[in-house]
Amino acid sequence: GENVEQHPSTLSVQEGDSAVIKCTYSDSASNYFPWYKQELGKRPQLIIDIRSNVGEKKDQRIAVTLNKTAKHFSLHITETQPEDSAVYFCAASGEWNQGGKLIFGQGTELSVKP
Amino acid sequence: DAMVIQNPRYQVTQFGKPVTLSCSQTLNHNVMYWYQQKSSQAPKLLFHYYDKDFNNEADTPDNFQSRRPNTSFCFLDIRSPGLGDAAMYLCATSRDIGANSPLHFGNGTRLTVT
Repeated sequence: GENVEQHPSTLSVQEGDSAVIKCTYSDSASNYFPWYKQELGKRPQLIIDIRSNVGEKKDQRIAVTLNKTAKHFSLHITETQPEDSAVYFCAASGEWNQGGKLIFGQGTELSVKP
Repeated sequence: DAMVIQNPRYQVTQFGKPVTLSCSQTLNHNVMYWYQQKSSQAPKLLFHYYDKDFNNEADTPDNFQSRRPNTSFCFLDIRSPGLGDAAMYLCATSRDIGANSPLHFGNGTRLTVT
């Protein structure tokens, strides 16, 4: 089955700097890669996702890149703000008829210092 | 505007005393999931329903059961809670399984076992 590795486990940046979180996946059939943000005591919320037919996707200060050959994808946050502080989870899944359940990475605790 | 609603937010039960957590959705999604999340860890999938079809993860203990009486509701039953079952339990829904169906999480139920 799918296995997703996420690094780093913790990340501390100064406000205004960029933050990058990286994930690798094992199943070459995976074709959907969402990122979730979870603030303390709250539910995970989808912030951006990418499908395997696209190499990069951007939404304001957030971007995700995907390298299918290397089986890794990354989350990039530019101009970080204190409210970006949270735990971020990457995930991967395939199609349902290929066992396409969402498998999460271990999470990255991002701390943005004012 | 909550679309996936979990009750209660906090649940305390005694060691060995059965407990039921509930989830309802207004999205009319086909799939409902139960995840277990322990502190600083990724959500771990316990099982999911695709419509009425129940799908158990291989490593989900027999102590955990689920019911989905209709499209809108899904229940998690823990038959004999142990101290190790203390966690946040997240319900999620998706229209389908796979690349075009992001997960929508509820706010979770935090279970304490005394």
